Amino acid sequence: GAVVSQHPSRVICKSGTSVKIECRSLDFQATTMFWYRQFPKQSLMLMATSNEGSKATYEQGVEKDKFLINHASLTLSTLTVTSAHPEDSSFYICSARVVAGGGSGGEETQYFGPGTRLLVL
Amino acid sequence: DQQVKQNSPSLSVQEGRISILNCDYTNSMFDYFLWYKKYPAEGPTFLISISSIKDKNEDGRFTVFLNKSAKHLSLHIVPSQPGDSAVYFCAAAITGSARQLTFGSGTQLTVLP
Repeated sequence: GAVVSQHPSRVICKSGTSVKIECRSLDFQATTMFWYRQFPKQSLMLMATSNEGSKATYEQGVEKDKFLINHASLTLSTLTVTSAHPEDSSFYICSARVVAGGGSGGEETQYFGPGTRLLVL
Repeated sequence: DQQVKQNSPSLSVQEGRISILNCDYTNSMFDYFLWYKKYPAEGPTFLISISSIKDKNEDGRFTVFLNKSAKHLSLHIVPSQPGDSAVYFCAAAITGSARQLTFGSGTQLTVLP
């Protein structure tokens, strides 16, 4: 399957600092990437849809000024948690949308990165 | 409002037997379904998918069944292996949209040796 990487895998920071998380598609181009967060023992919650060359679409309740998303190329999307606070501590996961055979008629799958554990002290 | 539900938070199965993981959905617009496997502190790994035009899809030890009238899908793993122990998420999507996935809450599968 397609490979998606995330960096860093783990980050600890002080309250008030900003943290950038990178999501890369390693062997394919992804026009659409997704950012999720997962709290312990809960499901994955979609935060936003990142589209290459355009603004991200945020889910209801997600502050776009706090969670800045940039999808500057077909292989890279970044999530910046600005002025992080302890309640932002979570597991952040990105995924990339892959269409089999290209175009709109092929079957689609999302491949996930390994996740980034953020701990804000 | 949970549109995708996995009512069993956990399941234990003996090695070699069949594991059956269930998932129900409420949104009749969903027409594409996926199963993911997730280990702690890792991202989900895609297992198998099915579109609403089919009622069964098989890949090795994994088979997904879809019952559209009941809005129910299931993942069968046979034979189950200890390495299959993980959290399994079902997810649903709507064709033509940005293919955003709506996830269930997951089922922890434990395969006992």
